[in-house]
Amino acid sequence: GAVVSQHPSRVICKSGTSVKIECRSLDFQATTMFWYRQFPKQSLMLMATSNEGSKATYEQGVEKDKFLINHASLTLSTLTVTSAHPEDSSFYICSARVRTMEKLFFGSGTQLSVL
Amino acid sequence: GENVEQHPSTLSVQEGDSAVIKCTYSDSASNYFPWYKQELGKRPQLIIDIRSNVGEKKDQRIAVTLNKTAKHFSLHITETQPEDSAVYFCAASEITGGGNKLTFGTGTQLKVEL
Repeated sequence: GAVVSQHPSRVICKSGTSVKIECRSLDFQATTMFWYRQFPKQSLMLMATSNEGSKATYEQGVEKDKFLINHASLTLSTLTVTSAHPEDSSFYICSARVRTMEKLFFGSGTQLSVL
Repeated sequence: GENVEQHPSTLSVQEGDSAVIKCTYSDSASNYFPWYKQELGKRPQLIIDIRSNVGEKKDQRIAVTLNKTAKHFSLHITETQPEDSAVYFCAASEITGGGNKLTFGTGTQLKVEL
């Protein structure tokens, strides 16, 4: 199946710093990428949807100025958590889709810990 | 928007027994229902999916059933094995040309005991 690479797998940072997470589709062109957040023992909550070349669409309650999403190419999307705080600590995971396919392919996730 | 409910939240079965996880959805426009298995700290893995024009789908020990009228779908795992232990998520979405926003259920922690 299609491979989605996500980096880094784990980040520990100080409060107030910004963290960038990358998501790449390795063997297909991802027309749409989705970013999810997952707290321990909870479900995956969609944060935003990004289509290549256009602005991301954020879910209700997600601050677009805090969680910056860029989908500059068909193979790369980035999520930047700006001025991270302890409450932003979570497992962030991306997924990608090709327009003609219904299946989503997930990245390996990034565990963010803000001290 | 779509709302997906999933039950039970935890499920313990003996090795070799069957396990059933049930989900309901709210949006009648949803037409795609995947199931994911997630191990701790790992990415969700698609294990089976079904589209709304099909009532049942089977892949070896795993099967999914869909009742569009009642808006519910279920995952059935037969002859469970210890390696089936994980968190299982159902999801629902409407397949469109512009997107495929999945709404996930709350998850079921399955434990298969020896």
